[in-house]
Amino acid sequence: ETGVTQTPRHLVMGMTNKKSLKCEQHLGHNAMYWYKQSAKKPLELMFVYSLEERVENNSVPSRFSPECPNSSHLFLHLHTLQPEDSALYLCASSQDAQPMGGYTFGSGTRLTVV
Amino acid sequence: KNQVEQSPQSLIILEGKNCTLQCNYTVSPFSNLRWYKQDTGRGPVSLTIMTFSENTKSNGRYTATLDADTKQSSLHITASQLSDSASYICVVSARTSGTYKYIFGTGTRLKVLA
Repeated sequence: ETGVTQTPRHLVMGMTNKKSLKCEQHLGHNAMYWYKQSAKKPLELMFVYSLEERVENNSVPSRFSPECPNSSHLFLHLHTLQPEDSALYLCASSQDAQPMGGYTFGSGTRLTVV
Repeated sequence: KNQVEQSPQSLIILEGKNCTLQCNYTVSPFSNLRWYKQDTGRGPVSLTIMTFSENTKSNGRYTATLDADTKQSSLHITASQLSDSASYICVVSARTSGTYKYIFGTGTRLKVLA
């Protein structure tokens, strides 16, 4: 257990479904992130939150909607996804949004869109 | 263009053997380089971080080297164990005007066989 907990671990959803991914960190960090990891591709940064404010949105389609109600929790709301959105979604946290000290990653949610 | 390339893409070795993974980058201005280990079904975990002035850093059986002139790094694993089977990801950060940008490699998938 790294201190960053993601649920669910696995998710299968149809293209018309709405689901949410949850991330919780117990490290007292101020910044949280969503990354997408597809096979044979580098990790792609999706969203960055610092002190509950979104500070970065890397041209992510609107079918992905993040929410950060407080500095310990981060959600990724999903709707009308496409099969190419199937991937491992990793949540990470860091002390601040300029993490010289690096990230702490969760174990990820393996998403399959059918 | 900032890029991080890792080689080989995958590697199979016998338990007890040594191996070396490579990371070449074209990231500028360079700030630091990290190696992460990602076990199957888990998030990446940091192994080492190296700054511009560091040539070698060890973490147990893992030794990372950095040549900032040639923009190359390597991760050497000594006396491999079955638990070393994982993906190893090189991440290079660039710092511009106080902002860090992180560029991920695609990783090397290592399989250690008994």
